[in-house]
Amino acid sequence: SQELEQSPQSLIVQEGKNLTINCTSSKTLYGLYWYKQKYGEGLIFLMMLQKGGEEKSHEKITAKLDEKKQQSSLHITASQPSHAGIYLCGAAGGTSYGKLTFGQGTILTVHP
Amino acid sequence: KAGVTQTPRYLIKTRGQQVTLSCSPISGHRSVSWYQQTPGQGLQFLFEYFSETQRNKGNFPGRFSGRQFSNSRSEMNVSTLELGDSALYLCASSLGLARGSDTQYFGPGTRLTVL
Repeated sequence: SQELEQSPQSLIVQEGKNLTINCTSSKTLYGLYWYKQKYGEGLIFLMMLQKGGEEKSHEKITAKLDEKKQQSSLHITASQPSHAGIYLCGAAGGTSYGKLTFGQGTILTVHP
Repeated sequence: KAGVTQTPRYLIKTRGQQVTLSCSPISGHRSVSWYQQTPGQGLQFLFEYFSETQRNKGNFPGRFSGRQFSNSRSEMNVSTLELGDSALYLCASSLGLARGSDTQYFGPGTRLTVL
């Protein structure tokens, strides 16, 4: 079965700093999703990457999928307190419809 | 467009009882997936329904079941509740396209506490 490993597990940064979260898959990724979650709430969709080498940006968040399609990174530029939360990567793989396998999450704290 | 809604938002039950959770997908979405989230195991896939048929199932005991109605609304049921079933239950809706090309949108979740 596919496994996703995120690093770091937690991150504390000062407002205005840049940061990167990584997601590594044990198998080829057919679709890689990034979500953000506030504790105890639902997941908010950020971006989906499908093609090797693909890069997408939304506001100050950029996500990339490497050429071999087994690793993705999420980069936040000039972090703000509103960026705080849990970031989760999810993967669609194999022949499974409707199933995403998730990493364990990265807890981001941004100090003003 | 309204997002995914889940009811109830919070639920407290005792061991041995059963519970039914409801999920209304985004209009036009025919696929509903259910997940369980706990601090120890993270987010785990329960099952997925598309056009009233279960297409995929995760590794959960038979006490966990679900169904989908003709309007795409879905329910999941947990019978004979155990303490370990305490979790945040999330549903997600999507168009139900092929793997890797479909985006799942999540509801706010139902927090289930089993005493």
